Amino acid sequence: KNQVEQSPQSLIILEGKNCTLQCNYTVSPFSNLRWYKQDTGRGPVSLTIMTFSENTKSNGRYTATLDADTKQSSLHITASQLSDSASYICVVSAGGTSYGKLTFGQGTILTVHP
Amino acid sequence: DAGVIQSPRHEVTEMGQEVTLRCKPISGHNSLFWYRQTMMRGLELLIYFNNNVPIDDSGMPEDRFSAKMPNASFSTLKIQPSEPRDSAVYFCASSFRQISGNTIYFGEGSWLTVV
Repeated sequence: KNQVEQSPQSLIILEGKNCTLQCNYTVSPFSNLRWYKQDTGRGPVSLTIMTFSENTKSNGRYTATLDADTKQSSLHITASQLSDSASYICVVSAGGTSYGKLTFGQGTILTVHP
Repeated sequence: DAGVIQSPRHEVTEMGQEVTLRCKPISGHNSLFWYRQTMMRGLELLIYFNNNVPIDDSGMPEDRFSAKMPNASFSTLKIQPSEPRDSAVYFCASSFRQISGNTIYFGEGSWLTVV
């Protein structure tokens, strides 16, 4: 069964600090992995998309890594800001005959305190 | 572009009533998705259209749910009759399908409460 597991479930950090969110997946065959940010009361917004051949991708203060061998990904947030408080969702897209089928993680709720 | 537009943003209805949620995808996108999000289950795909044709509706919970996409710029998700357990946020999303991966753009959601 395709699964995506994220850790931690929730995280509280102080403004200005860095943090790393984890994502482990068992989706096969693998097509790509996405990280989304979802603010409270809003729809998810795409941060990064990585395919099998990409190890790292950055979007401003957000840097995602992918290890396709161990089926792990991380999202690193540098110099956190209050506006980073949100739910971060890891999403894995299947390939092959299941092309485009997305498996969602439960998300990590990040709270940044001043 | 205005993004994916959903309506209504909020709806409160009585059990047994029909609910229709509407979606206008981003112009030019050829894939449209309906998702449901709850605290317990997170985001779940209900149905996925490609070029207005339903490709995968295995996530539709039961016959009370139906979705249509009569043209490339409009889709509806209907629940009839509604039940309290249908209370959730329903997201519509669209993308332009391509081989190497495609950004999926979500609407702001329709917050449904069935009492």
